[in-house]
Parts: sequence; structure tokens; C-alpha cells
Amino acid sequence: QQPVQSPQAVILREGEDAVINCSSSKALYSVHWYRQKHGEAPVFLMILLKGGEQKGHDKISASFNEKKQQSSLYLTASQLSYSGTYFCGTGGLDNYGQNFVFGPGTRLSVLP
Amino acid sequence: DAGVTQSPTHLIKTRGQQVTLRCSPKSGHDTVSWYQQALGQGPQFIFQYYEEEERQRGNFPDRFSGHQFPNYSSELNVNALLLGDSALYLCASSLGRTGYNEQFFGPGTRLTVL
Repeated sequence: QQPVQSPQAVILREGEDAVINCSSSKALYSVHWYRQKHGEAPVFLMILLKGGEQKGHDKISASFNEKKQQSSLYLTASQLSYSGTYFCGTGGLDNYGQNFVFGPGTRLSVLP
Repeated sequence: DAGVTQSPTHLIKTRGQQVTLRCSPKSGHDTVSWYQQALGQGPQFIFQYYEEEERQRGNFPDRFSGHQFPNYSSELNVNALLLGDSALYLCASSLGRTGYNEQFFGPGTRLTVL
């Protein structure tokens, strides 16, 4: 089942902060965050695993509430390069990442 | 170090035809997943291959099939093409289980069905 992302779209000025949320009705073992720019392939940002392990870029911050099956991606002091569509992906019910599903995306636009 | 490569870049087919898309994973990766991305939507998981076997499958009909070779490269085959199959097909590779590891995406193959 596809996770829900909010907001659907957000417009920021350079330097402003934003939070993108992802929630699922199913138990989550992992949450992934990717950013896709127009006409390009998705690029990995972060993985948050059940139990607290995180893998990702140093400049990216995210949280994972296992009980609420929710994750949030925190974008601080946004730059023009942050513009793009952010997808969360949820999965990991078995050893091979069963039920890995991407959300519909959040479109972020950063203006000068 | 080459990243994930896909071929062809673009493809135009007519309804009822069959198509084969190809993917070479990032060096050192052993798992390949395929996704379908319609315009303005998130990637939809088709299936994942590991050790030359289909390990997981999304909600796609049997017209979608695949293969993984001993060198970890992979093919996606779609039979009896429908207009609704028009989309960007993305291949992603990872080292180990898709749900637990970073995926590297290829540039995609844009399939147009007329």
C-alpha cells in the first residue's frame, strides 16, 4: 500500500526551512528518501531503519517514528539546488524488502 | 566507476508488440529492481532480482517478466503492449536487499506505445 506524503507541494525562498512527511498504514521496517529533479533519475538521500540505524548524507536530516509509522525529512537553510520532487519509499517486511513502495512525491520549489 | 546504465534511452512501439529493456547495475551491486514511472507520479515497483531469481514482485500483470544474468545485469520484458504501458522505466541496483539498502537509479528508458 502506497505511503502518504504531505504536503503535495511547497514553495520556499532560499534560506527557509521545510519539513516533508511520510506515513504508512502498514508496519514500517525501513523508510527511504530520494530526490528527483525534472528529467533525471531519483537520487538517494537517506535510509532510516527500524531500531534507529540511519544511512545517508551528512547534510540531510530525517526522523522515523516506528510506533506511528511516520517519517519526516527536514530541509534547513534551503538552497536553489534543493528544488525537485521528494519521494519516500517504505519497505522491508522480509529479507528481500518485500512491499517496497514509493509515495506520490512532494514537489519542492526553492526561489531566489 | 560506471553507475547504472540502461538501454535503449527511448523506444517507440505499437500496441500488441513486445519490448525488452536492459540494465547493467553499478559495479559491485548484486540486486536489481525495476520500476515504472508514469508522468507526474512516483516510481511503481515492478520486481526485484537477486541471485538470478525474482525475489519480490509488485502489482503488475504477468505480461511483465524479467531475467537476471550471472553478471547481475538484467532485462525487463513486456508482452502484448498496451497504451497504458507508456512510461519511464527505471532500473535501480543495490548491494543486498532493496528494502534495507541504498538504491542507485539508472537514467531510465522512455517507452512510448502508440
